[in-house]
Order: sequence, then structure tokens, then C-alpha cells
Amino acid sequence: GENVEQHPSTLSVQEGDSAVIKCTYSDSASNYFPWYKQELGKGPQLIIDIRSNVGEKKDQRIAVTLNKTAKHFSLHITETQPEDSAVYFCAASRTGAGSYQLTFGKGTKLSVIP
Amino acid sequence: DSGVTQTPKHLITATGQRVTLRCSPRSGDLSVYWYQQSLDQGLQFLIHYYNGEERAKGNILERFSAQQFPDLHSELNLSSLELGDSALYFCASSVGLAGGDEQFFGPGTRLTVL
Repeated sequence: GENVEQHPSTLSVQEGDSAVIKCTYSDSASNYFPWYKQELGKGPQLIIDIRSNVGEKKDQRIAVTLNKTAKHFSLHITETQPEDSAVYFCAASRTGAGSYQLTFGKGTKLSVIP
Repeated sequence: DSGVTQTPKHLITATGQRVTLRCSPRSGDLSVYWYQQSLDQGLQFLIHYYNGEERAKGNILERFSAQQFPDLHSELNLSSLELGDSALYFCASSVGLAGGDEQFFGPGTRLTVL
């Protein structure tokens, strides 16, 4: 089955700096890579996702890059703000008809210091 | 608010007992996924239901079972509870069966087994 490794497990940055979280996956057939943000006491919320037909996707201060050859993908948050403090999870799955479940990394706790 | 509801929010029980967790998916979503989140294991996929039928099983113990009813709400039953079953339990819903559909997470049920 799929295995997703996520690093670092904790990350502290100064407000305004950038944060980068990296994930690797094992199943070469995986082609859907979402990122979830989980705030304290809440369920995970999708913030951005990327599919294997593109190498990069941006949404305002958030970007994700994908290297299918190396089987890794990364989340980049620029101009970090205190409200970005949360736990971030990467995940991977196959797509298409059929039940393909998400395999999650173990999470990165991001702290943005004002 | 994701539109996914879970009850109860908190549950405290004793070892050996049985509990039922309830999930109502977003309006129109036919798939329900159950996940267990513990500190050392991250988000672990348990089981997936689509339109009342079980579609995939993950790391779900034999003491655990689930079902999805005709109105599409789902219940996760946990029996012969052990201390190690203490965790956050999330359900998520998506519109269809295909992998790569966005999953919307509920707020979770925190289970404490004493």
C-alpha cells in the first residue's frame, strides 16, 4: 500500500517568513495530492491540492509543487501570518473510478511567531 | 463549517463498553469515510461507504464496525473498548466514489476510554 512521509514534524517561523513542508510517497500510481489544515479542536480542511498532470499550483500565499519522478511534493506558504498556525497534513491517493482512500502523512505543527 | 456533522462531540466511557458514533454527510454527498486520529499514528483510514455499501476497509479492528443508512448517515460502532481506542474519530464525505474527490471532514468525536 501507499506510504507517505512528512517532514518536519514541527516548524516555527517568524511572521512574514516563508514555511515549507515536504512529503514523499511510495506508490508511483498515486496522482492526487491534497493538503489539509487542521486547527485546534476542528476537523482537517482542504487548503490546496495538486494532480499529477501539473507540476505546480498556487492559490494566493499558498503553493504546492510536485515532482513525480522523485515522488515528492511540497507545500509552500509565503508571508506567514499568525492565523497560519495549525497542523498541516499531506496526503496521496490514486484517482479514478473505484474506492481509493487517502493515505496521510503524520502532520507538521506550524507555529508562526508574531 | 464543512457541512458534515458528527455526534457526540465528546464521549467518555470505560474499558469493555460499546459506543456508537454518528455522522451525517454534506447534502448530496454519497460517500462517507471514517478515520481515527491518535497522537502517534496520525490520521488512519478505517472504512469507506458509498450509497449504503461498504467499499473499502483500512486499518479497522474486528471490534469496530460501521454502516451507512438509506438516508446516508453513517454510524461507527466500537465494542469491547480498550484504553488504546482513545482517539479522535473523524468522518468525511465526498460527492461520489471516484478517488480524487475532495473529502470534507466533520468536527470529530473525541473518545476517551478510562
